[in-house]
Amino acid sequence: EVQLLESGGGLVRPGGSLRLSCAASGFPFTTHAMNWVRQAPGKGLEWVSTISSTGSAAYYADSVKGRFTISRDNSKNTVDLQMNSLRAEDSALYYCAKAFTVFDYWGQGALVTVSS
Amino acid sequence: DIVMTQTPLSSPVTLGQPASFSCRSSQSLVHSDGNTYLSWFQQRPGQPPRLLIYKISNRFSGVPDRFSGSGAGTDFTLKISRVEPEDVGVYYCMQGTQIPRTFGQGTKLEIK
Repeated sequence: EVQLLESGGGLVRPGGSLRLSCAASGFPFTTHAMNWVRQAPGKGLEWVSTISSTGSAAYYADSVKGRFTISRDNSKNTVDLQMNSLRAEDSALYYCAKAFTVFDYWGQGALVTVSS
Repeated sequence: DIVMTQTPLSSPVTLGQPASFSCRSSQSLVHSDGNTYLSWFQQRPGQPPRLLIYKISNRFSGVPDRFSGSGAGTDFTLKISRVEPEDVGVYYCMQGTQIPRTFGQGTKLEIK
């Protein structure tokens, strides 16, 4: 059974940093790209970032480029999202999702709140 | 960026009746590999999104056959043949052809 478990969410002040992690199991992690998608309260889905299966390529939404960094550890089956210079508009539920062109499995999400 | 536009934004449906959702992309979703990476997701209240349909018309594992997808190029449709109570939620389309990945704004399915 595929499982994606996000952790690391919390309350942070504007300008602060937070690191999210997604632990994956139930599938060959090293052969799949991974993604972060966020959803602000009461709003729709917004793609944030994608990392290739090997970690050699990473892609970002313009809204987070230069502030967020995606990485993965294929020895631990984890994918992380380092979020710096956080803004109020980054407040959202952050989902980890599997695969490159089709997001076939999603985690339950990690809540990030940016507020003073 | 490819803009995904969904209509309607809200769809009140009677139980047992069909429902239809439309999704239009600002440019063709045909990838250079020949595939069209258009997916549909269901998000029930308080739940993460769940993949229903991928590559226009392929039902994902465990998805009831009352859900079907169709379309080509820039115009796509998700249909529910007979709405059941557990279908309440928001339905999103997403294109996986080009980066950045983009989602439609969602259509909310409500029971009349």
